[in-house]
Amino acid sequence: GAVVSQHPSWVICKSGTSVKIECRSLDFQATTMFWYRQFPKQSLMLMATSNEGSKATYEQGVEKDKFLINHASLTLSTLTVTSAHPEDSSFYICSARGDRGFNEQFFGPGTRLTVL
Amino acid sequence: GNSVTQMEGPVTLSEEAFLTINCTYTATGYPSLFWYVQYPGEGLQLLLKATKADDKGSNKGFEATYRKETTSFHLEKGSVQVSDSAVYFCALSSRNTGGFKTIFGAGTRLFVKA
Repeated sequence: GAVVSQHPSWVICKSGTSVKIECRSLDFQATTMFWYRQFPKQSLMLMATSNEGSKATYEQGVEKDKFLINHASLTLSTLTVTSAHPEDSSFYICSARGDRGFNEQFFGPGTRLTVL
Repeated sequence: GNSVTQMEGPVTLSEEAFLTINCTYTATGYPSLFWYVQYPGEGLQLLLKATKADDKGSNKGFEATYRKETTSFHLEKGSVQVSDSAVYFCALSSRNTGGFKTIFGAGTRLFVKA
């Protein structure tokens, strides 16, 4: 099946530093990638949608200067949390849609970010 | 706008009990419907899907039927196992001005006791 990987699976950083999370589609071309944030015991909140080679479209209330998204190739998207603060601690999940399935998104395993 | 409403959890069942998790949706057009499962500490996995009215998705003993007349996609399993303990998310995917988007319900946590 279609596989999406994320790296790292968890990261701890100090307040004020920036953290980059990678999302890769391993066996298919991802024309669209999505980034979600999940708070404990809550649902997924869509942060942004990115199409390969285009700027990301951010959902209302998501700071695009804080959460930088790059989708430079059909297999890689990155989310950079800039100047991270403790309130940015969360589970970040990427998802990809491309030339597999019908209206189906394939999800990465998630990255747990803890900001001290 | 589009939305997904799931029954609140947690749901606690004994092993071999019958499971129903209700899901209703609001959408324009003809969305595709999905159930995803999230095991502790892991990402989401697609459990089953249905792409048009009256379709039945099934996988691992779970079933859900796309009911357009009642705008529902209830998840059922005849006999649950301890290993089914997880959080279940109902979702819909549809095309809008920003392209395809998937919207998730709040999730329903299931505990199955031995």
